[in-house]
Amino acid sequence: DGGITQSPKYLFRKEGQNVTLSCEQNLNHDAMYWYRQDPGQGLRLIYYSQIVNDFQKGDIAEGYSVSREKKESFPLTVTSAQKNPTAFYLCASSIEWWSNQPQHFGDGTRLSIL
Amino acid sequence: AQTVTQSQPEMSVQEAETVTLSCTYDTSESDYYLFWYKQPPSRQMILVIRQEAYKQQNATENRFSVNFQKAAKSFSLKISDSQLGDAAMYFCAYRSEDAGNKLTFGGGTRVLVKP
Repeated sequence: DGGITQSPKYLFRKEGQNVTLSCEQNLNHDAMYWYRQDPGQGLRLIYYSQIVNDFQKGDIAEGYSVSREKKESFPLTVTSAQKNPTAFYLCASSIEWWSNQPQHFGDGTRLSIL
Repeated sequence: AQTVTQSQPEMSVQEAETVTLSCTYDTSESDYYLFWYKQPPSRQMILVIRQEAYKQQNATENRFSVNFQKAAKSFSLKISDSQLGDAAMYFCAYRSEDAGNKLTFGGGTRVLVKP
């Protein structure tokens, strides 16, 4: 079955450490997205990628970085510059950036600080 | 920038009854899309229903229907014949026609279903 796989499900970060969240999709979608969700709140867009080798900042990109070297993969790095990284992170994809088709979501990664 | 507001942090409904979740949004655009997503305890985001702003007819998906009032910028979700599996967080989301597939989410409404 096609879908989006996020790993790991739970991740712990030490102070001053960079961590990378994995997102892989086999839906052949061009566009991919990273969202952050804080307790009791909606999703906020961190970064998005319309196509391979291209990505754009979302609403809360500071302290995060991404890459899009392959169509299937869109990893998110939470850097030490992100002072409040504890949150639930969701990856999503859609057929095309300009398509009116809805986004598909992965199961998420919960990041906590040790 | 568009904003989406869900004014009800939590709603409770008896099994088999009906519950309506409210959503309002602020935009100066005439063409856009609206969505309702469900997030159960598993935390996966599941699309429930969507509405194109140019369509006057309200969208319906089985027990889920919307009341789209474009002039009032209101997009409420009605869940009929509520089931225990409907218990979840529900998020309203806005997509601009001119900004690609960028979604703006409301803060969510938690639905509790009482047996």
